[in-house]
Amino acid sequence: DSGVTQTPKHLITATGQRVTLRCSPRSGDLSVYWYQQSLDQGLQFLIQYYNGEERAKGNILERFSAQQFPDLHSELNLSSLELGDSALYFCASSVGTESEAFFGQGTRLTVV
Amino acid sequence: GIQVEQSPPDLILQEGANSTLRCNFSDSVNNLQWFHQNPWGQLINLFYIPSGTKQNGRLSATTVATERYSLLYISSSQTTDSGVYFCAVRAPSGGSYIPTFGRGTSLIVHP
Repeated sequence: DSGVTQTPKHLITATGQRVTLRCSPRSGDLSVYWYQQSLDQGLQFLIQYYNGEERAKGNILERFSAQQFPDLHSELNLSSLELGDSALYFCASSVGTESEAFFGQGTRLTVV
Repeated sequence: GIQVEQSPPDLILQEGANSTLRCNFSDSVNNLQWFHQNPWGQLINLFYIPSGTKQNGRLSATTVATERYSLLYISSSQTTDSGVYFCAVRAPSGGSYIPTFGRGTSLIVHP
């Protein structure tokens, strides 16, 4: 167990809908990362927050947004969902902005 | 952005065999990690190794940052070693550090 908690583990939703994925980092970690893993694109970095502020941005679509709350948990919001958004979404956390990152078990999103 | 290439893409071994997985990266990095993704999809930390050599049981890793590569050694492989091995680096990009994963090496260990 990495100490990073993601909910839900599985999510099935229809095209056009909006979903929210939640991540609780390890105790003491200030940095949270979101990744998308699909068969054709591999593991893609989406966005990083550090102590509530956005720190780095990757290939995140405009339909996707994220935030980190004062208690350091983070949410990833995916809207206007398309079939191609079906993927495994990972959250990771680390103490600092460049230190070792630990991954949650992921949320498997299926868009039908 | 930085390019991360892993080789070989696929590897099939008999239990007990040794193997070496390679990760090449195209630019200077300040952070390198190796992960094992098991058949259930879980990403497990193996090594945090921006430079130097580390060992953990049957696994060891070496990063030569000046030559931009890292190696993961698996000795006396077991069926539970099966899965995908990822190398991930972090390199500066526009004032921040973007994590980048390689495509992975898919390992199957037969009994």
